[in-house]
Amino acid sequence: DTEVTQTPKHLVMGMTNKKSLKCEQHMGHRAMYWYKQKAKKPPELMFVYSYEKLSINESVPSRFSPECPNSSLLNLHLHALQPEDSALYLCASSQVLRPPGELFFGEGSRLTVL
Amino acid sequence: GENVEQHPSTLSVQEGDSAVIKCTYSDSASNYFPWYKQELGKRPQLIIDIRSNVGEKKDQRIAVTLNKTAKHFSLHITETQPEDSAVYFCAASRAGGFKTIFGAGTRLFVKA
Repeated sequence: DTEVTQTPKHLVMGMTNKKSLKCEQHMGHRAMYWYKQKAKKPPELMFVYSYEKLSINESVPSRFSPECPNSSLLNLHLHALQPEDSALYLCASSQVLRPPGELFFGEGSRLTVL
Repeated sequence: GENVEQHPSTLSVQEGDSAVIKCTYSDSASNYFPWYKQELGKRPQLIIDIRSNVGEKKDQRIAVTLNKTAKHFSLHITETQPEDSAVYFCAASRAGGFKTIFGAGTRLFVKA
């Protein structure tokens, strides 16, 4: 299995809602990432987890809260988001950590904040 | 800080022609240079990569060259086909680092 699976594919939420994005991989990769991608822009790194521990937080606002329950799962909890947070959220994993090596991306969760 | 510049932002070629995309990186400690292809509405996927101990790498119709002295690397696609139409991102990461730094992307159109 060489896939990274993300759910949901689409999410619409109001600014007062709480929701979560989920990501799963079964490739045995010990590094997992959250990226944010706006239209016509490159992926922008948000968080890096290595061996289930948060290694990098790219100064992301606290309304985004990552969680890595185990080596296969990565969540992104969303609360009190702003309309400008609307974007495609990509999860990725890599076998090699430093440097990351090939990133395996999921199909993404397209988030719309009303 | 770390930065990867990518040119051109848009490239239009006729089917069968070659396409070249160029990138420049700022961090001299960078040692891994992947290229990702992202079709419309799809995930980015690795198409080729090169490490700093190699000057050139080829895989069928695509090749990547690296000039460490000038901190340049380029993607070459020969005999382009309509299915090559996509956004291509170059990227760089440094030894011991956690991050992959992406270029701004090149939108390639291959006209049939």
